[in-house]
Amino acid sequence: GIQVEQSPPDLILQEGANSTLRCNFSDSVNNLQWFHQNPWGQLINLFYIPSGTKQNGRLSATTVATERYSLLYISSSQTTDSGVYFCAVLNDYNQGGKLIFGQGTELSVKP
Amino acid sequence: NAGVTQTPKFQVLKTGQSMTLQCAQDMNHNSMYWYRQDPGMGLRLIYYSASEGTTDKGEVPNGYNVSRLNKREFSLRLESAAPSQTSVYFCASSEDDRYEQYFGPGTRLTVT
Repeated sequence: GIQVEQSPPDLILQEGANSTLRCNFSDSVNNLQWFHQNPWGQLINLFYIPSGTKQNGRLSATTVATERYSLLYISSSQTTDSGVYFCAVLNDYNQGGKLIFGQGTELSVKP
Repeated sequence: NAGVTQTPKFQVLKTGQSMTLQCAQDMNHNSMYWYRQDPGMGLRLIYYSASEGTTDKGEVPNGYNVSRLNKREFSLRLESAAPSQTSVYFCASSEDDRYEQYFGPGTRLTVT
């Protein structure tokens, strides 16, 4: 099956710094989502981005489907950005929308 | 519009006890999913339902049963709980055309 690898596994930033999180996948995908799991455990949808570039405030994401990777950019980080960021992909509509998750990048933003 | 809701939020069971986790969505989505999340393992799919009346196994279905009661509700049942089922359980739903998934708040289950 498809493999999803995220890097780095852990990241510590000072408030105000920028960061880039990467998601590599081993096969073509129909869908790709980025999630933020906050310290309370909630999974929050950030982007639905099977291809192209999207921006939402200080966050933006780019997926280059032909090269099988996606990047999540966080600018001017804040302590509330702390948590785990997951990339998840769907590569077969015949499997009813089954998402395959990466292991996540744990981000800690220090004041 | 509450999105995806789950009950209970927390549960402690003894080995061998049974329980049902409830999930409901109000977004008129056809597809619904149950995942478990364990430390260092990411999220893994237990079961999913592409439409009312259909269910299919995911990556880790052993020890679980599901029921798609109607379009809104999808329940997960543990018939005889084991300590290995200690985990956080998430329910999700999606539309068919995009399969963009939306998650509930989770149920933290401990089996002693």
